[in-house]
Amino acid sequence: DTEVTQTPKHLVMGMTNKKSLKCEQHMGHRAMYWYKQKAKKPPELMFVYSYEKLSINESVPSRFSPECPNSSLLNLHLHALQPEDSALYLCASSPILPRGERGEKLFFGSGTQLSVL
Amino acid sequence: EDKVVQSPLSLVVHEGDTVTLNCSYEVTNFRSLLWYKQEKKAPTFLFMLTSSGIEKKSGRLSSILDKKELFSILNITATQTGDSAIYLCAVEAATGGFKTIFGAGTRLFVKA
Repeated sequence: DTEVTQTPKHLVMGMTNKKSLKCEQHMGHRAMYWYKQKAKKPPELMFVYSYEKLSINESVPSRFSPECPNSSLLNLHLHALQPEDSALYLCASSPILPRGERGEKLFFGSGTQLSVL
Repeated sequence: EDKVVQSPLSLVVHEGDTVTLNCSYEVTNFRSLLWYKQEKKAPTFLFMLTSSGIEKKSGRLSSILDKKELFSILNITATQTGDSAIYLCAVEAATGGFKTIFGAGTRLFVKA
Protein backbone atom coordinates (compact mmCIF):
# COMPACT_ATOMS: atom_id res chain seq x y z
CA ASP A 1 0.00 0.00 0.00
CA THR A 2 1.76 3.17 -1.20
CA GLU A 3 -1.12 5.54 -0.71
CA VAL A 4 -1.94 8.43 1.53
CA THR A 5 -5.71 8.58 1.94
CA GLN A 6 -7.51 11.79 2.82
CA THR A 7 -11.15 12.28 3.76
CA PRO A 8 -13.36 13.99 2.95
CA LYS A 9 -12.43 14.95 -0.61
CA HIS A 10 -14.63 18.05 -0.46
CA LEU A 11 -15.91 20.03 2.53
CA VAL A 12 -18.10 23.10 2.75
CA MET A 13 -18.42 24.68 6.17
CA GLY A 14 -19.70 27.83 7.79
CA MET A 15 -17.56 30.08 9.91
CA THR A 16 -19.12 28.78 13.13
CA ASN A 17 -18.78 25.07 12.30
CA LYS A 18 -16.34 22.58 13.74
CA LYS A 19 -15.05 19.94 11.33
CA SER A 20 -12.07 17.60 10.99
CA LEU A 21 -9.91 16.49 8.09
CA LYS A 22 -8.46 12.99 8.23
CA CYS A 23 -5.33 11.48 6.73
CA GLU A 24 -4.15 7.87 6.84
CA GLN A 25 -1.09 6.01 5.57
CA HIS A 26 0.01 2.41 6.04
CA MET A 27 3.53 2.65 4.65
CA GLY A 28 5.15 2.73 8.07
CA HIS A 29 6.17 6.35 7.58
CA ARG A 30 7.04 8.16 10.79
CA ALA A 31 6.75 11.74 9.51
CA MET A 32 3.43 13.29 8.46
CA TYR A 33 2.65 16.76 7.19
CA TRP A 34 -0.20 19.15 6.55
CA TYR A 35 0.11 21.56 3.63
CA LYS A 36 -2.27 24.29 2.46
CA GLN A 37 -2.47 25.10 -1.24
CA LYS A 38 -4.38 28.06 -2.64
CA ALA A 39 -5.31 28.12 -6.33
CA LYS A 40 -2.33 28.60 -8.64
CA LYS A 41 0.06 28.71 -5.67
CA PRO A 42 2.57 26.16 -4.37
CA PRO A 43 1.84 24.07 -1.28
CA GLU A 44 2.64 25.86 1.99
CA LEU A 45 3.73 23.85 4.99
CA MET A 46 1.49 24.09 8.05
CA PHE A 47 2.50 21.32 10.46
CA VAL A 48 4.94 18.44 10.71
CA TYR A 49 4.65 15.44 13.01
CA SER A 50 7.61 13.19 13.66
CA TYR A 51 7.06 9.96 15.61
CA GLU A 52 3.59 11.23 16.59
CA LYS A 53 4.97 14.41 18.13
CA LEU A 54 4.45 17.89 16.71
CA SER A 55 7.80 18.89 15.25
CA ILE A 56 7.01 22.04 13.28
CA ASN A 57 4.17 24.57 13.46
CA GLU A 58 4.65 27.21 10.79
CA SER A 59 2.89 29.92 12.84
CA VAL A 60 -0.51 28.57 11.89
CA PRO A 61 -3.57 30.27 13.53
CA SER A 62 -5.05 28.37 16.45
CA ARG A 63 -8.31 27.81 14.56
CA PHE A 64 -6.34 24.95 12.93
CA SER A 65 -5.53 22.22 15.45
CA PRO A 66 -3.53 19.16 14.35
CA GLU A 67 -3.62 15.79 16.06
CA CYS A 68 -1.65 12.60 15.50
CA PRO A 69 -3.42 9.79 17.40
CA ASN A 70 -1.01 7.12 16.14
CA SER A 71 1.71 6.61 13.55
CA SER A 72 -0.80 5.98 10.73
CA LEU A 73 -3.29 8.76 11.34
CA LEU A 74 -3.17 12.52 11.16
CA ASN A 75 -6.13 14.81 11.79
CA LEU A 76 -6.66 18.50 11.30
CA HIS A 77 -9.42 19.97 13.46
CA LEU A 78 -11.05 23.13 12.12
CA HIS A 79 -12.99 25.68 14.17
CA ALA A 80 -14.18 29.21 13.45
CA LEU A 81 -12.49 29.36 10.06
CA GLN A 82 -12.51 32.40 7.81
CA PRO A 83 -13.40 32.52 4.09
CA GLU A 84 -9.73 33.12 3.28
CA ASP A 85 -8.98 29.67 4.73
CA SER A 86 -10.69 28.14 1.69
CA ALA A 87 -8.01 26.06 -0.05
CA LEU A 88 -6.84 22.55 -0.89
CA TYR A 89 -5.45 20.88 2.23
CA LEU A 90 -2.85 18.26 1.42
CA CYS A 91 -1.54 15.61 3.74
CA ALA A 92 1.86 14.04 3.06
CA SER A 93 4.14 11.48 4.66
CA SER A 94 7.79 10.49 4.45
CA PRO A 95 9.71 7.58 5.93
CA ILE A 96 11.63 9.50 8.56
CA LEU A 97 12.48 12.95 9.84
CA PRO A 98 14.98 14.53 9.54
CA ARG A 99 14.90 13.39 5.99
CA GLY A 100 18.03 12.00 4.47
CA GLU A 101 18.47 10.17 1.18
CA ARG A 102 15.71 7.77 2.22
CA GLY A 103 13.27 10.27 3.52
CA GLU A 104 13.23 13.28 1.27
CA LYS A 105 10.52 12.10 -1.09
CA LEU A 106 7.07 13.15 0.06
CA PHE A 107 4.03 10.99 -0.59
CA PHE A 108 0.96 13.18 -0.96
CA GLY A 109 -2.71 12.44 -0.51
CA SER A 110 -5.29 13.73 -2.98
CA GLY A 111 -6.29 16.52 -0.66
CA THR A 112 -9.46 17.96 0.83
CA GLN A 113 -10.92 20.90 -1.09
CA LEU A 114 -12.26 23.15 1.66
CA SER A 115 -14.72 25.99 1.14
CA VAL A 116 -15.56 28.28 4.05
CA LEU A 117 -18.73 30.30 3.61
CA GLU B 1 15.35 34.61 2.13
CA ASP B 2 15.19 31.14 0.61
CA LYS B 3 13.37 31.01 -2.70
CA VAL B 4 12.63 28.73 -5.64
CA VAL B 5 11.63 30.27 -8.97
CA GLN B 6 10.13 28.29 -11.81
CA SER B 7 9.73 29.34 -15.41
CA PRO B 8 7.71 29.55 -17.48
CA LEU B 9 4.63 29.78 -15.27
CA SER B 10 2.51 28.30 -18.03
CA LEU B 11 3.15 26.63 -21.35
CA VAL B 12 0.92 25.35 -24.17
CA VAL B 13 2.43 22.91 -26.66
CA HIS B 14 1.26 20.37 -29.22
CA GLU B 15 1.57 16.63 -28.85
CA GLY B 16 5.00 15.46 -29.94
CA ASP B 17 6.77 18.67 -28.92
CA THR B 18 9.71 18.68 -26.52
CA VAL B 19 9.51 21.01 -23.52
CA THR B 20 12.05 22.25 -21.00
CA LEU B 21 10.93 23.47 -17.61
CA ASN B 22 13.27 25.56 -15.47
CA CYS B 23 13.83 25.82 -11.76
CA SER B 24 16.32 28.18 -10.12
CA TYR B 25 16.91 28.42 -6.41
CA GLU B 26 18.60 30.37 -3.66
CA VAL B 27 18.63 28.47 -0.40
CA THR B 28 20.89 28.12 2.58
CA ASN B 29 22.30 24.63 3.18
CA PHE B 30 20.96 22.98 0.04
CA ARG B 31 20.29 19.25 0.40
CA SER B 32 18.35 18.18 -2.67
CA LEU B 33 15.99 19.28 -5.41
CA LEU B 34 12.82 17.37 -6.21
CA TRP B 35 10.36 17.49 -9.08
CA TYR B 36 6.69 16.61 -8.60
CA LYS B 37 3.81 16.34 -11.07
CA GLN B 38 0.41 17.59 -9.88
CA GLU B 39 -2.43 16.56 -12.13
CA LYS B 40 -5.70 16.86 -10.27
CA LYS B 41 -4.90 17.01 -6.61
CA ALA B 42 -2.03 14.89 -5.26
CA PRO B 43 1.51 15.85 -6.31
CA THR B 44 3.38 12.73 -7.33
CA PHE B 45 7.14 12.33 -7.13
CA LEU B 46 9.20 12.40 -10.33
CA PHE B 47 12.89 12.90 -9.49
CA MET B 48 15.23 13.72 -6.65
CA LEU B 49 18.56 15.34 -7.56
CA THR B 50 21.47 15.82 -5.21
CA SER B 51 24.56 15.84 -7.43
CA SER B 52 25.47 18.19 -10.24
CA GLY B 53 25.63 16.95 -13.81
CA ILE B 54 24.05 13.54 -13.27
CA GLU B 55 20.97 13.14 -15.42
CA LYS B 56 18.01 11.29 -13.97
CA LYS B 57 15.77 9.69 -16.57
CA SER B 58 12.37 8.02 -16.53
CA GLY B 59 10.85 7.25 -19.90
CA ARG B 60 10.33 10.49 -21.77
CA LEU B 61 11.20 12.61 -18.73
CA SER B 62 14.67 13.59 -17.66
CA SER B 63 16.16 16.08 -15.26
CA ILE B 64 19.55 17.47 -14.35
CA LEU B 65 20.92 19.70 -11.62
CA ASP B 66 23.61 22.39 -11.77
CA LYS B 67 24.69 23.22 -8.22
CA LYS B 68 27.16 25.84 -9.36
CA GLU B 69 24.60 27.90 -11.28
CA LEU B 70 21.80 26.89 -8.86
CA PHE B 71 19.26 25.56 -11.28
CA SER B 72 17.62 22.44 -12.59
CA ILE B 73 15.75 21.60 -15.77
CA LEU B 74 13.05 19.05 -16.44
CA ASN B 75 12.78 17.84 -20.02
CA ILE B 76 9.81 16.08 -21.51
CA THR B 77 10.23 14.68 -25.02
CA ALA B 78 7.44 13.60 -27.39
CA THR B 79 4.82 15.18 -25.15
CA GLN B 80 1.41 13.56 -24.80
CA THR B 81 -1.89 14.97 -23.58
CA GLY B 82 -1.40 12.97 -20.38
CA ASP B 83 1.60 15.14 -19.59
CA SER B 84 -0.74 18.07 -19.00
CA ALA B 85 -0.25 18.98 -15.35
CA ILE B 86 1.43 21.39 -12.98
CA TYR B 87 5.10 20.58 -12.49
CA LEU B 88 6.38 21.60 -9.06
CA CYS B 89 10.02 22.07 -8.17
CA ALA B 90 10.91 21.77 -4.48
CA VAL B 91 14.21 22.32 -2.73
CA GLU B 92 15.15 20.68 0.55
CA ALA B 93 17.29 22.81 2.82
CA ALA B 94 18.93 21.71 6.05
CA THR B 95 17.74 24.73 7.98
CA GLY B 96 16.55 24.16 11.53
CA GLY B 97 16.27 20.44 10.87
CA PHE B 98 14.82 20.55 7.40
CA LYS B 99 12.78 22.84 5.22
CA THR B 100 10.97 22.25 1.93
CA ILE B 101 10.60 25.26 -0.35
CA PHE B 102 8.23 24.84 -3.30
CA GLY B 103 8.29 26.88 -6.47
CA ALA B 104 5.06 28.28 -7.88
CA GLY B 105 4.93 25.52 -10.51
CA THR B 106 4.77 25.41 -14.30
CA ARG B 107 1.32 24.72 -15.70
CA LEU B 108 1.78 22.62 -18.87
CA PHE B 109 -1.05 22.02 -21.33
CA VAL B 110 -0.46 19.62 -24.21
CA LYS B 111 -2.89 19.97 -27.09
CA ALA B 112 -3.89 16.92 -29.14
